[in-house]
Amino acid sequence: QQPVQSPQAVILREGEDAVINCSSSKALYSVHWYRQKHGEAPIFLMILLKGGEQKGHDKISASFNEKKQQSSLYLTASQLSYSGTYFCGTGPLSNFGNEKLTFGTGTRLTIIP
Amino acid sequence: DVKVTQSSRYLVKRTGEKVFLECVQDMDHENMFWYRQDPGLGLRLIYFSYDVKMKEKGDIPEGYSVSREKKERFSLILESASTNQTSMYLCASSLMGAQRQPQHFGDGTRLSIL
Repeated sequence: QQPVQSPQAVILREGEDAVINCSSSKALYSVHWYRQKHGEAPIFLMILLKGGEQKGHDKISASFNEKKQQSSLYLTASQLSYSGTYFCGTGPLSNFGNEKLTFGTGTRLTIIP
Repeated sequence: DVKVTQSSRYLVKRTGEKVFLECVQDMDHENMFWYRQDPGLGLRLIYFSYDVKMKEKGDIPEGYSVSREKKERFSLILESASTNQTSMYLCASSLMGAQRQPQHFGDGTRLSIL
């Protein structure tokens, strides 16, 4: 079963903050985040592993709450270049040696000047 | 930089044809994946391979098969194409231990079945 992402779409003005959530019905070992611009390949952002860590680079960070089986992606002071569709990919705890990820349906983020 | 190359950006085929989508990666990755991307449905895994000649079904394998004869190349085969297989197909690769490793995606093949 695919993880559920919310919101499905969001429109922000440049400089505003955004939070994208990813929730799974299964216990998780890992959460991946990717961004895809229209007509391009998805690009890797970050991986979070079991342990509840928080990660970030530049003004994009993410948290992983393993008890709640969810992850959140935080985009602060958004820039026009942040526009795109964001996908989370989850790896189950039950098969943590498994090579397979299950991706969510995506969150479309539009940043306007 | 990792390069994942898909053979065609756009492809138009007819119902009933056998269709081959090719993917090549240049970073000696053990894992290779085929996804299908449809509006509102995100990325859905069709098949993946963790070694030469090894494959596992993903979430939507029906109507598809795969081949991995060499480590760098992973082919997706539509045995008898149908209109409901019109979609964007994405190939990806990663090092072993995919839960800890980023996946690197190709630019995709937009396949239309008429």
